[in-house]
Amino acid sequence: EAGVTQFPSHSVIEKGQTVTLRCDPISGHDNLYWYRRVMGKEIKFLLHFVKESKQDESGMPNNRFLAERTGGTYSTLKVQPAELEDSGVYFCASSRPEYNEQFFGPGTRLTVL
Amino acid sequence: GQQLNQSPQSMFIQEGEDVSMNCTSSSIFNTWLWYKQEPGEGPVLLIALYKAGELTSNGRLTAQFGITRKDSFLNISASIPSDVGIYFCAGHNDYKLSFGAGTTVTVRA
Repeated sequence: EAGVTQFPSHSVIEKGQTVTLRCDPISGHDNLYWYRRVMGKEIKFLLHFVKESKQDESGMPNNRFLAERTGGTYSTLKVQPAELEDSGVYFCASSRPEYNEQFFGPGTRLTVL
Repeated sequence: GQQLNQSPQSMFIQEGEDVSMNCTSSSIFNTWLWYKQEPGEGPVLLIALYKAGELTSNGRLTAQFGITRKDSFLNISASIPSDVGIYFCAGHNDYKLSFGAGTTVTVRA
């Protein structure tokens, strides 16, 4: 089966601009997660969807970040306006219902200048 | 989030050596997972552990879920050059993964 895919693989934007990241989970995986790794730090949880519903967004840094999963398939994560500290690698993961094993995509490396 | 302490931070290995790394936490987890990340890719799941005391193998990899549910270790036996990468432990609670900072494994020339 195809793995989790993410687009774009890299994005370089200027402070104040908007960026939208996309994640396509593994087919049949109702659970979708966003994580982030900033330079030198550990990978941190951002939020969790079950189908189209946000179950937990306790890790979202602030209201400049907006995640959506319309239709319960792919998800987008928008950063508006981007700040320098938003730079890092954004990972998406998915899992089957009732399974704790999460499968990760390749990540999107975001650089804010 | 819940804090995981992963050690060592980095290690140099020679082909054929056994490698060991571990994670500890002040929090209890219901599942421990070990991932490996290579450059330009996302973390790839190596082993998942579901029960306290569980010892699980996957080829040359062996991992254990600590009896207190607050720790786990990963062993790699007879290392080969393709074992290089960053290894992450992760504890699972409430659908969230909490990650260690990673152990970077490099082959010693």
